[in-house]
Amino acid sequence: QKEVEQDPGPLSVPEGAIVSLNCTYSNSAFQYFMWYRQYSRKGPELLMYTYSSGNKEDGRFTAQVDKSSKYISLFIRDSQPSDSATYLCAMSGGYQKVTFGIGTKLQVIP
Amino acid sequence: GAVVSQHPSRVICKSGTSVKIECRSLDFQATTMFWYRQFPKQSLMLMATSNEGSKATYEQGVEKDKFLINHASLTLSTLTVTSAHPEDSSFYICSARVPGQGTYEQYFGPGTRLTVT
Repeated sequence: QKEVEQDPGPLSVPEGAIVSLNCTYSNSAFQYFMWYRQYSRKGPELLMYTYSSGNKEDGRFTAQVDKSSKYISLFIRDSQPSDSATYLCAMSGGYQKVTFGIGTKLQVIP
Repeated sequence: GAVVSQHPSRVICKSGTSVKIECRSLDFQATTMFWYRQFPKQSLMLMATSNEGSKATYEQGVEKDKFLINHASLTLSTLTVTSAHPEDSSFYICSARVPGQGTYEQYFGPGTRLTVT
């Protein structure tokens, strides 16, 4: 079993839709949960990180962590074609190496 | 967010030659940088952690004599792929950790596409 599981997609949604991206994990030591956006042939861009359980909002993006279920989510409201990219979830204990999901490819159709 | 640059963006080299990739933090001093490889449809895989002024720490299975890392200043780390072979062809990405923060806040360069012919 992989430490971090993420559906690779692709996920296609119409412009304006609410997008839900998810990851599950198995390592209870993970305390920090990150979401990265990666455009084709580019490096990942940090969208946000959260500590432990709870929600964090930044503009159209909301990250949710449920440690009891070992489940994290990223919601994108009012999705735009420019949101089309691969979204990577990532986790760490804080100062240890980061473990990444495989990434979910998202396509927002105008 | 912090800005990290990487050079070159893509390189093609012949089998047996060496290639150097540079990673620079442009607007902050990075005592710690990381080097990753990314294969198509696979997760980012950490190759090594580079600390300024000390030897890099390599992940299990990564040949330190093949992938030479030097972190000579607070803004520059280099990865040299020595005696490159076609199986070394990959997307190499560096990142830098924000000082005082954990690995949860690291910023990535744009990556280098290496093709070995």
